[in-house]
Amino acid sequence: GAVVSQHPSWVICKSGTSVKIECRSLDFQATTMFWYRQFPKQSLMLMATSNEGSKATYEQGVEKDKFLINHASLTLSTLTVTSAHPEDSSFYICSAAANNKGAQPQHFGDGTRLSIL
Amino acid sequence: AQSVTQLGSHVSVSEGALVLLRCNYSSSVPPYLFWYVQYPNQGLQLLLKYTSAATLVKGINGFEAEFKKSETSFHLTKPSAHMSDAAEYFCAVSDASGTYKYIFGTGTRLKVLA
Repeated sequence: GAVVSQHPSWVICKSGTSVKIECRSLDFQATTMFWYRQFPKQSLMLMATSNEGSKATYEQGVEKDKFLINHASLTLSTLTVTSAHPEDSSFYICSAAANNKGAQPQHFGDGTRLSIL
Repeated sequence: AQSVTQLGSHVSVSEGALVLLRCNYSSSVPPYLFWYVQYPNQGLQLLLKYTSAATLVKGINGFEAEFKKSETSFHLTKPSAHMSDAAEYFCAVSDASGTYKYIFGTGTRLKVLA
């Protein structure tokens, strides 16, 4: 149980294009979803927290106009990287929690490797 | 503020040997603690969690961790390492401020030698 599907797993695109990444909880309803960015050989950096039906809360230093997050349903959140540039190339990972209580673990997707040419 | 420290960014053990990955936390309230494993180019898989029940927590793949409040530690152990255990391991504490965000340690890369 507690499966999170993230799509696509790998995307290569030209500079200036926008890229959408989907995160779905397949067998549970996710009250809260999180989006992370991971640089090579480093830990995960939280970008934003999203709750179903409300605006995402972005971490300090994360551009909300660059990284658009939508959490329209209890099973789907999307991250859109707008006007992507090479510096946006990274590994993006989403996670989902069944509720917003601290004891509930986050369940992670398999990540999306984004390469901007 | 809460924090997590993982001592040793790289740990090497022989196949069949004990695995010990260290995690110390700082928290002003009873913490929720988690261990995750990450294989290359994949997301994180939950190994085990501590949520104020039993202090010795058993997880998947033969791993276990013991919560020691006096030492503010939550070290991960496995009696006998297997080649398939080679991966990156992350300790995390759940933010008790109400957002329940994770605060991750910097990770420990486990290498298993044949």
